[in-house]
Amino acid sequence: SYELTQPLSVSVALGQTARITCGGNNIGSKNVHWYQQKPGQAPVLVIYRDSNRPSGIPERFSGSNSGNTATLTISRAQAGDEADYYCQVWDSSTAPVVFGGGTKLTVL
Amino acid sequence: QLQLQESGSGLVKPSQTLSLTCAVSGGSISSGGYSWSWIRQPPGKGLEWIGYIYHSGSTYYNPSLKSRVTISVDRSKNQFSLKLSSVTAADTAVYYCATTNDSSGYYYVYWGQGTLVTVSS
Repeated sequence: SYELTQPLSVSVALGQTARITCGGNNIGSKNVHWYQQKPGQAPVLVIYRDSNRPSGIPERFSGSNSGNTATLTISRAQAGDEADYYCQVWDSSTAPVVFGGGTKLTVL
Repeated sequence: QLQLQESGSGLVKPSQTLSLTCAVSGGSISSGGYSWSWIRQPPGKGLEWIGYIYHSGSTYYNPSLKSRVTISVDRSKNQFSLKLSSVTAADTAVYYCATTNDSSGYYYVYWGQGTLVTVSS
């Protein structure tokens, strides 16, 4: 089955840039989507198809995808960005919808 | 703007069947060619995709749950449902219904608020 690997946690200083990775075999050939989930809330889509932002998502959120790693980048990190972040792909060869294990972002 | 609302039993006994419904408002479940999904999240853990259904009735399930899952759609009520049989404590989770606004995209723009289902005797 296709697997997505994320670091358990990432820390970033207030105002600095956070990068959260999502690893998978040849993930660069797939569309990667990213979700933000705050405690007690449903996930919110922050990036779709590698690098597109839904309306209402700040420009500080960006994404890239190449080779075996996709990356969610959060610029000028704010306290309100503290959350769990999940990557997700669609893989026709396995359970079509696959989520990464999630990364907890801490803003120091 | 689509809105999704889960409902169903919050407490299910082991070996019984979990049943949940997702009511869709602000749009028709029959339009757009979108998939309608169920996703769950055990307490303190990550997201797990359960399966999805198209308005046509075609379904796709997570292989790890396939033998126990049924997703159905009721177009007259504009809702879709989840049944998970032979539940155990491992099925305790917050269950979300979700969908997209992109007929060729398998990502989730709209989510219900989630409903906690506890499996316990």
